[in-house]
Amino acid sequence: GAVVSQHPSWVICKSGTSVKIECRSLDFQATTMFWYRQFPKQSLMLMATSNEGSKATYEQGVEKDKFLINHASLTLSTLTVTSAHPEDSSFYICSAGDPADTQYFGPGTRLTVL
Amino acid sequence: DQQVKQNSPSLSVQEGRISILNCDYTNSMFDYFLWYKKYPAEGPTFLISISSIKDKNEDGRFTVFLNKSAKHLSLHIVPSQPGDSAVYFCAASGNSGGSNYKLTFGKGTLLTVNP
Repeated sequence: GAVVSQHPSWVICKSGTSVKIECRSLDFQATTMFWYRQFPKQSLMLMATSNEGSKATYEQGVEKDKFLINHASLTLSTLTVTSAHPEDSSFYICSAGDPADTQYFGPGTRLTVL
Repeated sequence: DQQVKQNSPSLSVQEGRISILNCDYTNSMFDYFLWYKKYPAEGPTFLISISSIKDKNEDGRFTVFLNKSAKHLSLHIVPSQPGDSAVYFCAASGNSGGSNYKLTFGKGTLLTVNP
């Protein structure tokens, strides 16, 4: 299957700082990428749909000014958690749609906000 | 309102036996279904999918069955192996499964395969 990478795999930051997470499709071009959040022992919650060259589409209840998404190229989408707070601590996962196949997920990023 | 439901949070099976994971959905617009396997602190790994025009899809040890009238699908793993122990997520999509459409996930079922 196709490969999707995320960087960093884990990050610890102080409250009030911003954190950027990268999602890359390594062997295919993805016009659409998705960002999910997973709380402990819970399902994957879709946060937003990232479309290359246009604004992201956010799910209800997700603050677009807090979770900034940029999809500047067909292989890269970034999620920036702005002014992070402890309640933003979570496991963030991206997925990318391979037009010739299906959606593939990155390995996830563990964010801990102190 | 959960549109994709996995009512069994966990399942324990003996190695070599069949594992059956169930999933129900409520949205009749869903027409493409996927199963993902997930280990802790990792991203989900795609296992198998099925379109609503089919009622069965098989790939090696994994078979997915779809009952559209009951809005129910199941994943069969046979024979089960200890390495299959993970959380299994059922996901659904509309728009005939195009990879650019969002997925709706169930809460997952933790499968434990005992040696």
